[in-house]
Amino acid sequence: QVQLQESGPGLVKPSETLSLTCTVSGGSISSYYWTWIRQPPGKGLEWIGYIHYTGTTNYNPSLKSRVTISMNTSKNQFSLKMSSVTAADTAVYYCARAGNDTIYYVMEYWGQGILVTVSS
Amino acid sequence: EVVLTQSPATLSLSPGERATLSCRASQSVSSLLVWYQQKPGQAPRLLIYDASNRATGIPARFSGSGSGTDFTLTISSLEPEDFAVYYCQQRTNWPPTFGQGTRLEIK
Repeated sequence: QVQLQESGPGLVKPSETLSLTCTVSGGSISSYYWTWIRQPPGKGLEWIGYIHYTGTTNYNPSLKSRVTISMNTSKNQFSLKMSSVTAADTAVYYCARAGNDTIYYVMEYWGQGILVTVSS
Repeated sequence: EVVLTQSPATLSLSPGERATLSCRASQSVSSLLVWYQQKPGQAPRLLIYDASNRATGIPARFSGSGSGTDFTLTISSLEPEDFAVYYCQQRTNWPPTFGQGTRLEIK
């Protein structure tokens, strides 16, 4: 059974960089699409971006200038960095497996989510 | 960016009743429409992909239909554990986008 677990600081100061890591167990990261999605408290879901197992990335245009997703295959992890955060970036951040080359952008496996609050 | 509009915003029904949830796209997404269920404090759970294909382990009371711009998620007979928020998501255009959700509540 594939499992994902987010980790990182739960509190980030405005203008600083948010850094999260997703550790994947029960399967190799060297396949599939891997993605980050966020959900502000009480609101809907927003796709942040993905990294393909080949290393290709793609980001939501609304966040592209501030986001970097990378992967570490030796640790079976992928990571999110978001710079210049503001209070509007306060959200639960989820990592998820987002399908394969045929059925892509379909999130079958999710982490439990991590609440990141942006506040001084 | 494709905008997905879900209706109704809230649906109040009783266990055993049939639920019909709608998702309308601002442009055609072919059949590349996905449905998720989310309960409080939990990650979303994949229910249906590509409009009508149930994900692994999803009960048969959940079904999806539609193509182009109009899609429906039907729960044939509501169980107590089905009361949750449901989101649709399109995977045709980048970035994938979600609807705002339909809250299914116990009447």
